[in-house]
Amino acid sequence: QKEVEQNSGPLSVPEGAIASLNCTYSDRVSQSFFWYRQYSGKSPELIMSIYSNCDKEDGRFTAQLNKASQYVSLLIRDSQPSDSATYLCAVIASGNTPLVFGKGTRLSVIA
Amino acid sequence: DARVTQTPRHKVTEMGQEVTMRCQPILGHNTVFWYRQTMMQGLELLAYFRNRAPLDDSGMPKDRFSAEMPDATLATLKIQPSEPRDSAVYFCASGRTSRGNQPQHFGDGTRLSIL
Repeated sequence: QKEVEQNSGPLSVPEGAIASLNCTYSDRVSQSFFWYRQYSGKSPELIMSIYSNCDKEDGRFTAQLNKASQYVSLLIRDSQPSDSATYLCAVIASGNTPLVFGKGTRLSVIA
Repeated sequence: DARVTQTPRHKVTEMGQEVTMRCQPILGHNTVFWYRQTMMQGLELLAYFRNRAPLDDSGMPKDRFSAEMPDATLATLKIQPSEPRDSAVYFCASGRTSRGNQPQHFGDGTRLSIL
């Protein structure tokens, strides 16, 4: 069974620090990886996608992928209280299969 | 911005009643997914469609849940009869697979409470 594992948290970081969120996946043939942010009472919102072993940067967010070790991470630089949310890692094995989601890591940025 | 539209946003009803949730996917998206989210289980995939054809509904309790896509602009999820354990947030998401591994975009959800 395909699984995506995340530490449930809460992960607490001070404002301005770097928040590091990690995710491991079991299906070695996984091709595409996504990070969603979900505020309390809201729907998941796509914030990053990554497809190859590299670092992908978008503003304060950096996604890192290591297919050999089967993990993907999300770094948030200069964390803000508005970054406080649950971050969901999601993985696709191929274009014909649905996303498999982790249960999410709750991040709390303390002002 | 294009959005996935779900109705109703909230639903409170008594046990045993039929519940119908509706979803309008983003125009041009050919895959539609239904998820249920609870604190304990996280996001669970209930069913999904590609080009209106059901591909997998193994996540649904077959005796009470049904999912259909009568046309490209409407997907429905029905529960009959409803039970208190069905209380959750139900999300619809849509995506486009014709261009490789594209992500899914979520609607705002239907918050369902069965009394």
